[in-house]
Amino acid sequence: DSGVTQTPKHLITATGQRVTLRCSPRSGDLSVYWYQQSLDQGLQFLIQYYNGEERAKGNILERFSAQQFPDLHSELNLSSLELGDSALYFCASSVGPTRQETQYFGPGTRLLVL
Amino acid sequence: GNSVTQMEGPVTLSEEAFLTINCTYTATGYPSLFWYVQYPGEGLQLLLKATKADDKGSNKGFEATYRKETTSFHLEKGSVQVSDSAVYFCALSDPGTGNQFYFGTGTSLTVIP
Repeated sequence: DSGVTQTPKHLITATGQRVTLRCSPRSGDLSVYWYQQSLDQGLQFLIQYYNGEERAKGNILERFSAQQFPDLHSELNLSSLELGDSALYFCASSVGPTRQETQYFGPGTRLLVL
Repeated sequence: GNSVTQMEGPVTLSEEAFLTINCTYTATGYPSLFWYVQYPGEGLQLLLKATKADDKGSNKGFEATYRKETTSFHLEKGSVQVSDSAVYFCALSDPGTGNQFYFGTGTSLTVIP
């Protein structure tokens, strides 16, 4: 158990819909990272937040957005969903903002868009 | 730019066989290198890491040495077990290019009794 929690574990929705994925980092960690893992694209970094502020941006679509709240939990919002958005979405956390730190991953949310 | 290249899988080995999973990287600076493991149905877990050249990371019988001259970080284990069946990801973080991790595509390992 990494100490990172993600909800829900599974999500099934339809094209055009909007969903919110939630992540709680390990106690004491200030950074949260979001990743998308799909069969055709592998593991893609989406975005990082550190202590409530956006820190780094990766391959995140404009239809996707995220935020980190004062209690440090984070939410990833996916809108206007397409079939290709079906994937496993991972959250990870680390203590500080630097890229060399170990990231601890949550169990993931499996999203299926029908 | 930064990238990580892993040997393609899947890899199937018999129990107690020797394992090598190749990983090479390109980076603009002096990256830290990682191996993560993903067991079936679970998230990624850090297996080992090395933060500078010639460092050796080790954990659970796995080892990898940071080779700057060959830009490699190959994962090895002398005697694999069925419980090692998982997907292994090589990754780097490069302080020269912002707060991003770069992951390889993953190598699936199946160990048969």
